Amino acid sequence: GQQLNQSPQSMFIQEGEDVSMNCTSSSIFNTWLWYKQDPGEGPVLLIALYKAGELTSNGRLTAQFGITRKDSFLNISASIPSDVGIYFCAGQRSSGGSNYKLTFGKGTLLTVNP
Amino acid sequence: NAGVMQNPRHLVRRRGQEARLRCSPMKGHSHVYWYRQLPEEGLKFMVYLQKENIIDESGMPKERFSAEFPKEGPSILRIQQVVRGDSAAYFCASSPLPQANTEAFFGQGTRLTVV
Repeated sequence: GQQLNQSPQSMFIQEGEDVSMNCTSSSIFNTWLWYKQDPGEGPVLLIALYKAGELTSNGRLTAQFGITRKDSFLNISASIPSDVGIYFCAGQRSSGGSNYKLTFGKGTLLTVNP
Repeated sequence: NAGVMQNPRHLVRRRGQEARLRCSPMKGHSHVYWYRQLPEEGLKFMVYLQKENIIDESGMPKERFSAEFPKEGPSILRIQQVVRGDSAAYFCASSPLPQANTEAFFGQGTRLTVV
């Protein structure tokens, strides 16, 4: 099946530092989504990207849809302790018979030391 | 407007028993998606249902697993004769339109443990 390579697998940072994580794919997606999952909870959508090259911000979060449509990155600036969690990228096609499926990366576990 | 509700939150079953997982979509949402998350993995698509119809079950194991979304009531994911490998978190998402056109919202999940 479709695979998304998400890196890094985990990050340990100090409060106040900036964070960057990314996802790459061997095939094209038409939508990229970034989710955060807290322990014991479901994924919560952070940012959705719909156009190649698009750069979108949500507070301290910024995400970009790669120009090749095969990659995306998420930046978190000035991290705070509540940023702790697992961040997932997900790709979605908008054409073909299975355009409703999300393909997820394996996640980046973020730990923020106060 | 309540979010996607899943119950139970935690479910423990002995090998060979049946597990029934319920998902009530957000109000006004008629499209439901089930995903499975194994430990330290991302979510993997299992099945997509609209009211009374299974649209795509390509991600669901052919044996022991079934899903339904009746006209009335929640969507049900049923796992018969559970095995240890079925232990995972099962998430349901819903959307008002097919997911290609809108974002889906996830429930809190059901964590199934098979002992």
